[in-house]
Amino acid sequence: EIVMTQTPLSLSVTPGHPASMSCKSSQSLLNKDGKTSLYWYLQKPGQPPQLLMYEVSTRFSGVSDRFSGSGSGTDFTLKISRVQAEDVGVYYCMQSLQFITFGGGTKVEI
Amino acid sequence: EVQLVESGGALVRPGESLRLSCAVSGFTFSSYSINWVRQAPEKGLEWVSYISSSSSTIHYANSVKGRFTISRDNDKNSLYLQMNSLTPDDTAIYYCTTMDYWGHGTLVSVSS
Repeated sequence: EIVMTQTPLSLSVTPGHPASMSCKSSQSLLNKDGKTSLYWYLQKPGQPPQLLMYEVSTRFSGVSDRFSGSGSGTDFTLKISRVQAEDVGVYYCMQSLQFITFGGGTKVEI
Repeated sequence: EVQLVESGGALVRPGESLRLSCAVSGFTFSSYSINWVRQAPEKGLEWVSYISSSSSTIHYANSVKGRFTISRDNDKNSLYLQMNSLTPDDTAIYYCTTMDYWGHGTLVSVSS
């Protein structure tokens, strides 16, 4: 099983300032098609998760360009350029190379 | 508009069974694989099961293998999860998801 590890567990942010979080996988997420099976989700309080990024760095439809994803192999980063109040919640990374596993989440609060 | 609506969650006793349903609209259901993902109270996300568009490929998490059965009816745009031999560890909100889109979930509580 591919283990996903997220840091930090929680992040206290200031509106208008940047934020960054990390996700590490126990093995490379590069698939045979040359794409990387790494996704980012945000779960706002009381809501289901919503897809932010797929294949490391592609923003899903309607996602603000304040969000950006980077990384390769086993190390990945999600950055928020200017945090807004609506960005609070728990951020999860997920891999789909071998079945599906999620990281433990990074809780972002203001 | 894409919609996934789960139903069937309930409070049940350990050892009992439950069948969850997910009604899908707004996209060509028969063309997409789909999953069940669960979230225990105050916990993170746990993938449960996967079914391909034609039902030819099915996968389960080790935690539910042998107890849960995923199925779909493409004519009815519906996904199902038959859950047997339920334990308190199965208590969670169960989401159906294409991994792009998620339903709001249905709550399964297992308690004596």
